[in-house]
Amino acid sequence: NAGVTQTPKFQVLKTGQSMTLQCAQDMNHNSMYWYRQDPGMGLRLIYYSASEGTTDKGEVPNGYNVSRLNKREFSLRLESAAPSQTSVYFCASRDLYEQYFGPGTRLTVT
Amino acid sequence: QKEVEQNSGPLSVPEGAIASLNCTYSDRVSQSFFWYRQYSGKSPELIMSIYSNGDKEDGRFTAQLNKASQYVSLLIRDSQPSDSATYLCASRSNDYKLSFGAGTTVTVRA
Repeated sequence: NAGVTQTPKFQVLKTGQSMTLQCAQDMNHNSMYWYRQDPGMGLRLIYYSASEGTTDKGEVPNGYNVSRLNKREFSLRLESAAPSQTSVYFCASRDLYEQYFGPGTRLTVT
Repeated sequence: QKEVEQNSGPLSVPEGAIASLNCTYSDRVSQSFFWYRQYSGKSPELIMSIYSNGDKEDGRFTAQLNKASQYVSLLIRDSQPSDSATYLCASRSNDYKLSFGAGTTVTVRA
C-alpha cells in the first residue's frame, strides 16, 4: 500500500516550458487535491477533485490545469511555466476524516 | 485576511517544557479543525483533529477548540527534540476543502 505517490520529486524548468506533475493514490479515495507551498505561506489549494469526473478551482488556480484521469490519478499541468510557479507541490487524497499527502515535487522555474 | 491565522513564531522551548501553539479562523461555518506536523523537507502528517468545543488529548498532545472565539490551540507537553517541526493549523467548512495557516516552527532545545 503505497498511499499517495508523486512524480517527479524534483524538476527544473525554463520560463515558458510546460510540464505535468503526476499523482496517484491506492486508497480508493474519491477526493484528491493539489497544493503549493511557499515559504511563510502555508499550503494553498490550487485545484481539487471531489470525485472522479469533477474538478474545481481552489485559491490559486491561475496558470494551472488539472485532469482527473480516473479514480486513482489526478495530474497538474503547467502550460507555460513562470518563475512565480517555483514552489513545492503536494498532492493529497482524502477519506472521511483525514487528508493524506504525497511526498511532494520541488519545482524550480528559471 | 487569511482564513486561518497562526502565531508566527518561531517558537523555541527547552526539552521537557510545554509548547503552546495558537490559531484563529475567520469562517464561522468551519466545522472541523486539524493540526498537521511537517518536518523539514517532508510532507504534512495529521497529528490531531477536533470537531467540538473543549479539549481533546492524545498522548502528549492536547487540542483545544473554542468556536465562540473562533480559536484553536495545540499544547505539546514534555516537549522532545523530535517535536521540532513546523505545525500547520487547518480548518474545514462544509465542502471538501481545507484552509491552512502559514505554520509555526517549533524548536525544542536539548
